[in-house]
Amino acid sequence: AQKVTQAQTEISVVEKEDVTLDCVYETRDTTYYLFWYKQPPSGELVFLIRRNSFDEQNEISGRYSWNFQKSTSSFNFTITASQVVDSAVYFCALSEWDDYKLSFGAGTTVTVRA
Amino acid sequence: NAGVTQTPKFQVLKTGQSMTLQCAQDMNHEYMSWYRQDPGMGLRLIHYSVGAGITDQGEVPNGYNVSRSTTEDFPLRLLSAAPSQTSVYFCASKQGAADYEQYFGPGTRLTVT
Repeated sequence: AQKVTQAQTEISVVEKEDVTLDCVYETRDTTYYLFWYKQPPSGELVFLIRRNSFDEQNEISGRYSWNFQKSTSSFNFTITASQVVDSAVYFCALSEWDDYKLSFGAGTTVTVRA
Repeated sequence: NAGVTQTPKFQVLKTGQSMTLQCAQDMNHEYMSWYRQDPGMGLRLIHYSVGAGITDQGEVPNGYNVSRSTTEDFPLRLLSAAPSQTSVYFCASKQGAADYEQYFGPGTRLTVT
């Protein structure tokens, strides 16, 4: 069975600080896919990134960066120079090979104070 | 494209009442699913469908029914609402299996009193 753990329940930072969100996953498959979603206070779920298990190259997109390490089963997400608009709940999710289902972590609430 | 739409946005039910949450997508996606979101628990899968006429149970299916008569629609039925079903419900769709992005509807906030 697949499982996603986001140990951080809430993180509060002051604007311009960096924020790193931890995600640890469990799966028996060798091929799987990892996702991050953002849920702002308005409630919709916004797709941020997808990574497959064969691509450990870390990625930077603007102020966002992702660190995927298979050796530790982690897929961490960093917001650099945080802004108030980054305040949201962030979800890590996992999907196994040839499986339609997406398993979510409990989410981490990020609050960025001005 | 409207994407994934859900109605209603808000609903209050009394214990024992029944209702149907509507979900539709206009992207011709084969896969559709329903999740519920509760504080501290993330999103949990209720039911899913891999195509018209095919449905299956997810992690928390009790108290809910689904059907998929068309590719576009995937309604979720609460047969006899209970306070434990107070939650935010999200419908989602995706084009294919594991690596495809899942698109979510705006959610329905349901309160059962």
